[in-house]
Amino acid sequence: DGGITQSPKYLFRKEGQNVTLSCEQNLNHDAMYWYRQDPGQGLRLIYYSQIVNDFQKGDIAEGYSVSREKKESFPLTVTSAQKNPTAFYLCASSISGVAGELFFGEGSRLTVL
Amino acid sequence: DAKTTQPPSMDCAEGRAANLPCNHSTISGNEYVYWYRQIHSQGPQYIIHGLKNNETNEMASLIITEDRKSSTLILPHATLRDTAVYYCIVRVERGNKLVFGAGTILRVKS
Repeated sequence: DGGITQSPKYLFRKEGQNVTLSCEQNLNHDAMYWYRQDPGQGLRLIYYSQIVNDFQKGDIAEGYSVSREKKESFPLTVTSAQKNPTAFYLCASSISGVAGELFFGEGSRLTVL
Repeated sequence: DAKTTQPPSMDCAEGRAANLPCNHSTISGNEYVYWYRQIHSQGPQYIIHGLKNNETNEMASLIITEDRKSSTLILPHATLRDTAVYYCIVRVERGNKLVFGAGTILRVKS
């Protein structure tokens, strides 16, 4: 079945370590997004990419990095520069130019100890 | 993108219609109204969107006022599985991103 797969679902890391979250889609969508969600809050946009080898910062990009080397993959690295990385991370994709209808993965919950 | 205002929470009896309001008084003429919902610890799910006409699909109906300053999402026969956070978002259809607010927590009770 077509969809978006995020891994791992749960991740624990020590403070100061970089962490990479995986996001893969087989929907043939051009655009991909990363959001962060804190308890009781809405989603905040970290990075988005509308085409391979191109990406833009969202509202809270500091302390994060991404790459888009393949259409189906958009990994997110949470670096040690991110001051409060514990959160629920959501990846999404859409047909390019119709960003309103996003398809989301199941999320990755990162806990930094 | 225009800002939206939603009540923080609502309750609904199982089997009854759930009517979720959203105010978007600063909406522009080319901005659409989108609704998503998020069940606990899952990714948000698209429900419906519209510009100025009322819309209906298999999940819900969207009623947009004539002046477009507010809208209502209607779940015609709410079930316990409809318990979720519902987000109302306004944006240009072919823009780059969606901005999610805090949404409305809908609790469907038996």
